[in-house]
Amino acid sequence: QQQVKQSPQSLIVQKGGISIINCAYENTAFDYFPWYQQFPGKGPALLIAIRPDVSEKKEGRFTISFNKSAKQFSLHIMDSQPGDSATYFCAASNDYKLSFGAGTTVTVRA
Amino acid sequence: ETGVTQSPTHLIKTRGQQVTLRCSSQSGHNTVSWYQQALGQGPQFIFQYYREEENGRGNFPPRFSGLQFPNYSSELNVNALELDDSALYLCASSSDPLGNTIYFGEGSWLTVV
Repeated sequence: QQQVKQSPQSLIVQKGGISIINCAYENTAFDYFPWYQQFPGKGPALLIAIRPDVSEKKEGRFTISFNKSAKQFSLHIMDSQPGDSATYFCAASNDYKLSFGAGTTVTVRA
Repeated sequence: ETGVTQSPTHLIKTRGQQVTLRCSSQSGHNTVSWYQQALGQGPQFIFQYYREEENGRGNFPPRFSGLQFPNYSSELNVNALELDDSALYLCASSSDPLGNTIYFGEGSWLTVV
């Protein structure tokens, strides 16, 4: 049973556009929500993370929005660049392990 | 670069064989976790090691086992390999068992034929 549901499975965006990836969870014990970026043949790289006491966190072109009551969170990639083309995973953590979503493949077209 | 190094990067094994994968954690990190990532899927938690003991385990059978050494490096052992074990095996390190900032290595690609 997947504890974190992620959508869409893939998306295509034009250079300079905004990419939006959504995730939902059920386990209210989750207390940490990171996003990872993964390029083909590489391991996941920590991109940005948020805790449930914060509704939004921004780092450069990447923003996480968090809605605790709806148990949803999302990643916004502003001014998308071809180098952002990768697979993005949301995750949620409580205690010692991360539960990952299924991933979203983002393609940025020049 | 996360400072988490894994070896080997690729290997091919035959069904029924055994495999050992190795990981060196980031400097200063005493906690190591292992994840399995099948093609096209998100990583799945296998187990975590802290102070040389298994500290938590996901939904994987006992033929998946591990070790952590005094220098915090770690091994993942898989016995009686099955075709479905073909995946990317990721090692991740953190500064403590509840350390949420988890850094992954590049992974070891295992193909079982």
